[in-house]
Amino acid sequence: GQQVMQIPQYQHVQEGEDFTTYCNSSTTLSNIQWYKQRPGGHPVFLIQLVKSGEVKKQKRLTFQFGEAKKNSSLHITATQTTDVGTYFCAGPKNQGGKLIFGQGTELSVKP
Amino acid sequence: DAGVIQSPRHEVTEMGQEVTLRCKPISGHNSLFWYRQTMMRGLELLIYFNNNVPIDDSGMPEDRFSAKMPNASFSTLKIQPSEPRDSAVYFCASSLRSSGANVLTFGAGSRLTVL
Repeated sequence: GQQVMQIPQYQHVQEGEDFTTYCNSSTTLSNIQWYKQRPGGHPVFLIQLVKSGEVKKQKRLTFQFGEAKKNSSLHITATQTTDVGTYFCAGPKNQGGKLIFGQGTELSVKP
Repeated sequence: DAGVIQSPRHEVTEMGQEVTLRCKPISGHNSLFWYRQTMMRGLELLIYFNNNVPIDDSGMPEDRFSAKMPNASFSTLKIQPSEPRDSAVYFCASSLRSSGANVLTFGAGSRLTVL
């Protein structure tokens, strides 16, 4: 069945270092979404990408959607302790309303 | 808006007992989702409703799990009888589904521990 895979599973960085998480789908996606879950919290929507090759920025966060619309990445420049949490990508299954989440990348930032 | 409201926030129960989790979606949202989160399996979609109608329940683990949405402002997820392996955080999420977009707003979750 359709799968959404994320790597790495964990990433430990020193504050100020950059961080990237990658998301790959087994099928072409109509769109891809990114969510952040703080420790002990719930997933919170960050952004949605729709167009092939799309790049969007939110302050230090840069999101990309691949040309084939099967992969995506989230890059954080100069991480801060407030960036700690698990980042999930999610894509719709079969163009429907069902959203399939990747396993997430847990980011820890050492001050 | 108060967001998606879930209750209880924490539930500790004994194996064999019935558990009912509740969710109030955001007013005006037409889709509602129940997810389960564990360390081993991540975020799993259990069931989702569109306009109060169950659309896909293929993620419901087994007959012990059931979900209802009697109206647009309330949904329940019931486990009967509960088992220790059901211990997890259960999230309810709602969205305003429109063509090409389905952004989810999650509730704070219900942490279930079955002893």
